[in-house]
Amino acid sequence: DGGITQSPKYLFRKEGQNVTLSCEQNLNHDAMYWYRQDPGQGLRLIYYSQIVNDFQKGDIAEGYSVSREKKESFPLTVTSAQKNPTAFYLCASSMRGVNTEAFFGQGTRLTVV
Amino acid sequence: AQKITQTQPGMFVQEKEAVTLDCTYDTSDPSYGLFWYKQPSSGEMIFLIYQGSYDQQNATEGRYSLNFQKARKSANLVISASQLGDSAMYFCAMREANFGNEKLTFGTGTRLTIIP
Repeated sequence: DGGITQSPKYLFRKEGQNVTLSCEQNLNHDAMYWYRQDPGQGLRLIYYSQIVNDFQKGDIAEGYSVSREKKESFPLTVTSAQKNPTAFYLCASSMRGVNTEAFFGQGTRLTVV
Repeated sequence: AQKITQTQPGMFVQEKEAVTLDCTYDTSDPSYGLFWYKQPSSGEMIFLIYQGSYDQQNATEGRYSLNFQKARKSANLVISASQLGDSAMYFCAMREANFGNEKLTFGTGTRLTIIP
């Protein structure tokens, strides 16, 4: 089955530690996105990538880093520089073009303890 | 400036009634797409409907229709004959062509509650 997979579903991190969230897709999509969602809030764009080995900062990139070494994978690292990392993180992918919908993973809920 | 504005944080609607969720957008790009997504309490994002900036007719998908008013930069979602399962968060989103740097931006959402 084609789809987009995020892992893990729940993640606990100690303050001061970096943590990496996984996002893998087998839909052959060029574009991939990372969003952060806080309780009762909308989706805020962290990073996005249109093609392998290239990515752009979104609206709230500070404290986060990404890589896009393979078409299928777009991992997000939440660094210790992110002041308030507890949130729900969603990864999405889509074909290129303004008329194509994005497909989402099931999300990772990150909690800093 | 906000690219996507959803002014209704929450709405309560009687079952079987129609409901309109508001969305306005801001762009100077002539080529863009508008999307609506549903997010149940489980957290998954479900694509509902799409409208292209060059489309002449309003999009429809089953009970969902999109009231597209280009001059007003408005893309409201209409749900006909609402059902209890429609209770969820609803997000409006826009992708601009932006010379190939296609950023997908979401609004803050509307929490819809259907009352039996």
